Amino acid sequence: AQSVTQLGSHVSVSEGALVLLRCNYSSSVPPYLFWYVQYPNQGLQLLLKYTSAATLVKGINGFEAEFKKSETSFHLTKPSAHMSDAAEYFCAIQRGVTGGGNKLTFGTGTQLKVEL
Amino acid sequence: DSGVTQTPKHLITATGQRVTLRCSPRSGDLSVYWYQQSLDQGLQFLIQYYNGEERAKGNILERFSAQQFPDLHSELNLSSLELGDSALYFCASSAYLGTGEGYTFGSGTRLTVV
Repeated sequence: AQSVTQLGSHVSVSEGALVLLRCNYSSSVPPYLFWYVQYPNQGLQLLLKYTSAATLVKGINGFEAEFKKSETSFHLTKPSAHMSDAAEYFCAIQRGVTGGGNKLTFGTGTQLKVEL
Repeated sequence: DSGVTQTPKHLITATGQRVTLRCSPRSGDLSVYWYQQSLDQGLQFLIQYYNGEERAKGNILERFSAQQFPDLHSELNLSSLELGDSALYFCASSAYLGTGEGYTFGSGTRLTVV
């Protein structure tokens, strides 16, 4: 079975500071990994994905994540936080093999708060 | 607007009742997924349909059922509702079978069972 663990259910940063949201994965096969963002009263929006090409993945809104197999991690970062980044962030994992029925399994989420 | 349309946005119903949630996938997408989001369980995968056929099943209760129609819209039926079924139900879609694609999510249906 595959799973992701998000460390820290709540993270608070100052505007302009580095954002670091942690995600560690567990998988018996090469995984595909995703980060989603959920704003209040909205659905989830894909930020970025890792599908075994480049290990450093750039996404929307200035976010990026690095796949580190040795550390089984896929942490999300942004150099400078903006007030509009306040939202809940979900890491998700999928079996990295072709075929159907490869569901996305989500972590428990990290609520990001950005303070002035 | 993500392109995935879910109706209704809000639903309040009594215990023991049955409701139907509807989802129209993004144009051209063949797969539809249903997820349940609650405070205690987080985001739980329920079921996936691809071009009208069930492709994967998750933690879906026997009281719940789903189907995907020829026009690719999908419905999630919840029956004999219990208080614990109160949650946000998301539909998502992807172009094909979903591996490596990432899903496009709708804005959800908030179900409240009283």
